[in-house]
Amino acid sequence: DGGITQSPKYLFRKEGQNVTLSCEQNLNHDAMYWYRQDPGQGLRLIYYSQIVNDFQKGDIAEGYSVSREKKESFPLTVTSAQKNPTAFYLCASSATLTYEQYFGPGTRLTVT
Amino acid sequence: DAKTTQPPSMDCAEGRAANLPCNHSTISGNEYVYWYRQIHSQGPQYIIHGLKNNETNEMASLIITEDRKSSTLILPHATLRDTAVYYCIVKGANTNAGKSTFGDGTTLTVKP
Repeated sequence: DGGITQSPKYLFRKEGQNVTLSCEQNLNHDAMYWYRQDPGQGLRLIYYSQIVNDFQKGDIAEGYSVSREKKESFPLTVTSAQKNPTAFYLCASSATLTYEQYFGPGTRLTVT
Repeated sequence: DAKTTQPPSMDCAEGRAANLPCNHSTISGNEYVYWYRQIHSQGPQYIIHGLKNNETNEMASLIITEDRKSSTLILPHATLRDTAVYYCIVKGANTNAGKSTFGDGTTLTVKP
């Protein structure tokens, strides 16, 4: 059953801690993305990766880091430098950057 | 990538056609129009895309004006399960192909 998995669905952390969100896909897609969504708003691009070992900053990359060591995996680390980390985080993939994106179910991060 | 403008909300009666407009007046020749929808607290779902010809699939139809400056997504027989936020984005095969912008979208409410 092909798709994108994000885990966990809900994540709670204390302020000042780094936290890593998982994203895995078995669609054999080259491109992967991370978005942030705040209540009542659209999606904002954090990072995207066109291919393994390559990634680019999106519109709101400050306070976040990513790695793309394997085609299937694109983990996102929310660092303590991110001022307002509480949000809904969505991972997506596409065959290439120009193809339609398929999204995971999201991780809701709460930092207190 | 070109920016898009969508009405913030629309209502539709169950069983009737839902017509969701999108303006993309700065679209360039190699940019496609994509539509996604997001049901509450889930990841967005790809619906349809097109370049300049009208497109139809099992979910919806996409009508693109001749000058390509606007488009309309048509859900021919809306059901209550079509209640969602609908996003229109433009995406091209250029160096910024990864930076698709998802605005706030249109919240479609299908009423019984």
